[in-house]
Amino acid sequence: DIHMTQSPSSLSASVGDRVTITCRTSQNINTYLNWYQQKPGKAPNLLIYAASNLQSGVPSRFSGSASGTDYTLTISSLQPEDFATYYCQQSFSTPYSFGQGTKLEI
Amino acid sequence: QVHLVESGGGVVQPGGSLRLSCAASGFTFSGAGMHWVRQAPGKGLEWVTFIRNDGSNEYYAYFVKGRFTISRDNSKNTLYLQLNSLRAEDTAVYYCAKDDCSATSCLLDSWGQGTRVTVSS
Repeated sequence: DIHMTQSPSSLSASVGDRVTITCRTSQNINTYLNWYQQKPGKAPNLLIYAASNLQSGVPSRFSGSASGTDYTLTISSLQPEDFATYYCQQSFSTPYSFGQGTKLEI
Repeated sequence: QVHLVESGGGVVQPGGSLRLSCAASGFTFSGAGMHWVRQAPGKGLEWVTFIRNDGSNEYYAYFVKGRFTISRDNSKNTLYLQLNSLRAEDTAVYYCAKDDCSATSCLLDSWGQGTRVTVSS
C-alpha cells in the first residue's frame, strides 16, 4: 500500500500570505496526486489533479508541483475563503489513500 | 452539471446493516467509475471502495474485510454501498464521488453532500 505523509497538520497564516503544504508518498506514484479543499460541513472540492493541473474554476493562486515522491500545494496569496482543510490523495493504485489533512487557520 | 445525492444513512446498532444509495444525474453514469469515501467525526478523509463503470471490478480498503459491498444499477443511475457487521468505528459521513480517469490522471471530480452513519447501541 502507498502511505501518504502530509505536513504540516495545521498552519496559521494571514490574508495575503504565501503558504505551502507538502505531501510525501512512500513510493513513486508518477504524479497521480490530487489536492482537495474541504470546508466545515461540506464535501471536499478538487483543486489540483495530476500534481500540477488546476481544476476548472479553481483560482490561479492555487498551484501544485512535484519532485520525486514529494508533492507541494502552494497558495500564492491567501484569501479569506481559503481558510479550510486541505488533503492530498494518491490515485496511482488501490487502495487509494489520503493524507492526514492540513487545517489552515487564520 | 453533475449532481450526486446520497441517502440511506442513519443510526444502527453494532452488528447491524445499512444500505446507502447515491443517485446520480448530469452525466453519463454508465461511463464513469464511482467511489465511496468516508469521514469519521473530526477526522480526515478515508477511501472506502471503487467500482468500474460497468460493474466489472470492485476494489476495497483493507478495513472493509468483506463487510461492505459496492454495487451499481446503471439503468437507475444509482450507486449503492451495503454495510454489514457494522462497528462503532464505522461511524462517519459517507460520500459518493465520481471518478475521472485518463492516461495520466485519475481523480474524484464531483462529490455528493454525504450521508451520516452512526453505529451505536
